[in-house]
Amino acid sequence: DIQMTQSPSSVSASVGDTVTITCRASQGIGTWLGWYQQKPGKAPKLLIYAASSLQSGVPSRFSGSRSGTEFTLTISSLQPEDFATYYCQQAHTFPLTFGPGTKVDI
Amino acid sequence: QVQLVESGGGVVRPGGSLRLSCATSGFTFSHHAMYWVRQAPGKGLEWVAFIHYEGSNENYVDSVKGRFTISRDNSKNTLYLQMNSLRAEDTAIYYCAKDRDYGSGSYYTDFWGQGTQITVSS
Repeated sequence: DIQMTQSPSSVSASVGDTVTITCRASQGIGTWLGWYQQKPGKAPKLLIYAASSLQSGVPSRFSGSRSGTEFTLTISSLQPEDFATYYCQQAHTFPLTFGPGTKVDI
Repeated sequence: QVQLVESGGGVVRPGGSLRLSCATSGFTFSHHAMYWVRQAPGKGLEWVAFIHYEGSNENYVDSVKGRFTISRDNSKNTLYLQMNSLRAEDTAIYYCAKDRDYGSGSYYTDFWGQGTQITVSS
């Protein structure tokens, strides 16, 4: 199975900050990587697919990039509604696997 | 608008069975692959099962293979998860989710239900 790791596990930030979350795959997955946002008590929401493509309706302050097996989610100008947990997910091979999550809090 | 509504959750004893349903609307169900994803209390997300848009192919996480069966009824726009031989470690919120793309699947999910709680306990 492809293992996904994320760092940091949590980050404290303020409104207006830029936050960067890193996800690493245990083997090559090309650009088959998605990012999801989950708020407490809610279902996850797709933010980014194919490593860097913005899902429809998602604000442009969210962006994704890839370097080899390392992927980055960047949130520019953090907004109050962005405080949540973020998960990466590889979409390359079954079983589909998620990273352990990164909590962004105040 | 797209809606996915899970039902069938509850409390069950170890070794018991449950059948989850996910009623959908607002999109052409028969054109999209579908998924079940779960989240144990206070834990992260775990993909459980996938089914091809025609129902011709399924895939499961190893921990549920042989115990869970995903299925769909395209005439009823409904997804199912038959869960047998339940274990304490199956306790979680179970979400159904829709594939982002038409056809065989992109393996990204763009709409999710609100989830249904499964508790396996004696």
